[in-house]
Amino acid sequence: QVQLQESGPVLVRPSETLSLTCSVSDGSISPYYWSWIRQPPGKGLEWIGFLCSSEGTTYNSSLKSRATISLDTSKNQFSLRLRSVTAADTALYYCARVGYCGDHSRAIDYWGQGILVTVPS
Amino acid sequence: QLVLTQSPSASASLGASVKLTCTLSSGHSNYAIAWHQQQPEKGPRYLMKLNSDGSHTKGNGIPDRFSGSSAGAERFLTISSLQSEDEADYYCQTWASDIVVFGGGTKLTVL
Repeated sequence: QVQLQESGPVLVRPSETLSLTCSVSDGSISPYYWSWIRQPPGKGLEWIGFLCSSEGTTYNSSLKSRATISLDTSKNQFSLRLRSVTAADTALYYCARVGYCGDHSRAIDYWGQGILVTVPS
Repeated sequence: QLVLTQSPSASASLGASVKLTCTLSSGHSNYAIAWHQQQPEKGPRYLMKLNSDGSHTKGNGIPDRFSGSSAGAERFLTISSLQSEDEADYYCQTWASDIVVFGGGTKLTVL
């Protein structure tokens, strides 16, 4: 059973960079797409981006190039960096597994429990 | 533009059945989706992947009470024998090669 766990600072100052890591257990990270999704308090889900080690990274254009997702296969982890944050970036951040690299499906089949990151106004 | 539309709320009685709907935008009626459940104060949980022909693949440990079906651009999640723990937000999700899209979610109340 694949398990995902988010970690990182829960308070980030405006204009600074949000940095989160997702640790993946009970499964190899290499064959799959991995993604970050966020949920502002009381609102719905917003996709941030996904990556596969062999096929590169794709981002939600609404984030205006502020996001970077990277993979560390040696640690079975992947990370999110979001630059120039504002109060609007306050949200629960989830990491997730998306599907096999090379497959057409992008159905999310495993989720982390989420981490609340606050950017004070 | 790839968009998913869900009703904001639904309700049904304990022990009854409920059918939730997710509608794909025009021109995307052949797309597969996934259904996810988010119980209060918890992270989402994958329920199933649902294809345009109604075939579906459920996640580990998802009870038989949860089933999916399709008709045209509509994708359905049916929950039978409703239990109190089914009270949750339900999100549909779809994708293209370079994008992932979520519906706005349906809040299910079990009466």
